[in-house]
Amino acid sequence: QKEVEQDPGPLSVPEGAIVSLNCTYSNSAFQYFMWYRQYSRKGPELLMYTYSSGNKEDGRFTAQVDKSSKYISLFIRDSQPSDSATYLCAMRSSSASKIIFGSGTRLSIRP
Amino acid sequence: DGGITQSPKYLFRKEGQNVTLSCEQNLNHDAMYWYRQDPGQGLRLIYYSQIVNDFQKGDIAEGYSVSREKKESFPLTVTSAQKNPTAFYLCASKSSGTGPSGNTIYFGEGSWLTVV
Repeated sequence: QKEVEQDPGPLSVPEGAIVSLNCTYSNSAFQYFMWYRQYSRKGPELLMYTYSSGNKEDGRFTAQVDKSSKYISLFIRDSQPSDSATYLCAMRSSSASKIIFGSGTRLSIRP
Repeated sequence: DGGITQSPKYLFRKEGQNVTLSCEQNLNHDAMYWYRQDPGQGLRLIYYSQIVNDFQKGDIAEGYSVSREKKESFPLTVTSAQKNPTAFYLCASKSSGTGPSGNTIYFGEGSWLTVV
């Protein structure tokens, strides 16, 4: 079993829809959670960072962490065609130097 | 501007040849990483370095080598021992501070390696 599981998609939604992207994990020691966006043939860029449980909002993006369920989510409101990309979740424990990535979800926003 | 520079962007290699991918960062980050990404797949860690003159193997180090002689530089050599080297290679770095800056890594634009 992988430490981090992420549905690869592809996920296709119409413009303006609310998008929900999710990851589950098995290591209860993870405390730092990130979401990265990767456009085709580009390096991933950091989108959201969350420490421990709770919600964090940044514009149209909301990151949610539920440590009791070992489940993290990224919500995108009012989705735009420019949001079409692969979204990678990532996480790390306080004692480890390695960051563990999900396999990524490919998202397509239809105009 | 601060960032991570990878070169070359595209590289073709003949079977049996070694090739070195360059990674330079001017973010003053202590830790640097090399990942490999295959089409439709996630990131797999090749090597990482937390300090100059020290590095550790990641999950798929076989057929690769690295050096860390300077804080700013972390070149990756793909050797002829790597059986399936065609992939997208990503270099990343991370500071050692606390909070978000010490817990998130930043990526370069990647290098595409094709073995012909």
